[in-house]
Amino acid sequence: NAGVTQTPKFQVLKTGQSMTLQCAQDMNHNSMYWYRQDPGMGLRLIYYSASEGTTDKGEVPNGYNVSRLNKREFSLRLESAAPSQTSVYFCASSEEGRERGQPQHFGDGTRLSIL
Amino acid sequence: AQSVTQPDIHITVSEGASLELRCNYSYGATPYLFWYVQSPGQGLQLLLKYFSGDTLVQGIKGFEAEFKRSQSSFNLRKPSVHWSDAAEYFCAFGGYNKLIFGAGTRLAVHP
Repeated sequence: NAGVTQTPKFQVLKTGQSMTLQCAQDMNHNSMYWYRQDPGMGLRLIYYSASEGTTDKGEVPNGYNVSRLNKREFSLRLESAAPSQTSVYFCASSEEGRERGQPQHFGDGTRLSIL
Repeated sequence: AQSVTQPDIHITVSEGASLELRCNYSYGATPYLFWYVQSPGQGLQLLLKYFSGDTLVQGIKGFEAEFKRSQSSFNLRKPSVHWSDAAEYFCAFGGYNKLIFGAGTRLAVHP
């Protein structure tokens, strides 16, 4: 049972380059999330998708776009990478995001460095 | 405003000692509360959750947490720490369509 799978695990980009972080879950969850983790700041929500075909902004959406490709997959795109986007990115999923209190299942993260 | 505060950034304990990690929340209604653990290079794993009912919640790996409404707290405890418990611990509460995380407490365990 793979749970939440993120690719790639590591990536180094130059300023201005673009890339897409991939995420897939095999738990048939409706809701999916993208977070970034920075030292001393916990996890901050970038975007989420409460169900297939819908996406909404989180706390720190600027500089990012997302696509909910189908129920399993939720990708995060950096169109023009900036050094401030150096971070560890986590994808998560949960059964039903519209209700409060649904625990989330996390992938192992993508460590992204922007030079 | 909704927020979660973990007052301790780093904690060091000796193996076999007891542990308590603090968490305080600010929220106007009944909170849904979680504790997650993150081992180095890994994602977050759910330790336990509180939704309602019994205020003492048991989780995995021998952890428990107690919800105290009067103190707006949800502290995590373990009676005897093992070296493998060294990790970062995050308290979070569930809002609509999101979790709100504290900044984390990094736990070091001395042999």
